Amino acid sequence: AQSVSQHNHHVILSEAASLELGCNYSYGGTVNLFWYVQYPGQHLQLLLKYFSGDPLVKGIKGFEAEFIKSKFSFNLRKPSVQWSDTAEYFCAVSLGNNRLAFGKGNQVVVIP
Amino acid sequence: EAGVTQSPTHLIKTRGQQATLRCSPISGHTSVYWYQQALGLGLQFLLWYDEGEERNRGNFPPRFSGRQFPNYSSELNVNALELEDSALYLCASSHGGFWSDEQFFGPGTRLTVL
Repeated sequence: AQSVSQHNHHVILSEAASLELGCNYSYGGTVNLFWYVQYPGQHLQLLLKYFSGDPLVKGIKGFEAEFIKSKFSFNLRKPSVQWSDTAEYFCAVSLGNNRLAFGKGNQVVVIP
Repeated sequence: EAGVTQSPTHLIKTRGQQATLRCSPISGHTSVYWYQQALGLGLQFLLWYDEGEERNRGNFPPRFSGRQFPNYSSELNVNALELEDSALYLCASSHGGFWSDEQFFGPGTRLTVL
């Protein structure tokens, strides 16, 4: 079945640690890729997106993601997290029919 | 610029009743999407409306329906409510087109079915 997979649903780390969240999808063909973030008490907002071009994309708040087509992956990274990065992170794939398929999310807790 | 707005914030219904959820998109956006965020299931695509027409539908029964008005606002109706319909319902909007840019999400309506 077509799907978006995010592993390690709960991640706890200390400030200044590096963060990497994996995202794998099983759709063939052209896809658009997104990472959304939901901070506590706030609504979903876009972190970054990949449509085409340079497979390394930079988003807001120091986040970046790398699209590896051969691995069907779009992993999110941040070299040094802050307490304010505590949030739930969702990977999403758009299949050209405007429906976003979401992963189940990663709950990230950053300890001061 | 105002974001996507949804009403009500919370909605409590009993099994068998009908629920109506409303969404106003960002000004200039013609596409409206509905997603269900149920506990343990993540975000599931429900419906996509563009220019007043239903363009795509997720894997949900027909008792989930909606419409889009001439001003591009939208309603989601859930008939014959079941306990498992309890979830956060998110609305998003974007510019139209099949490869539209990012979707902007509203704060959601928390539906509780008792």
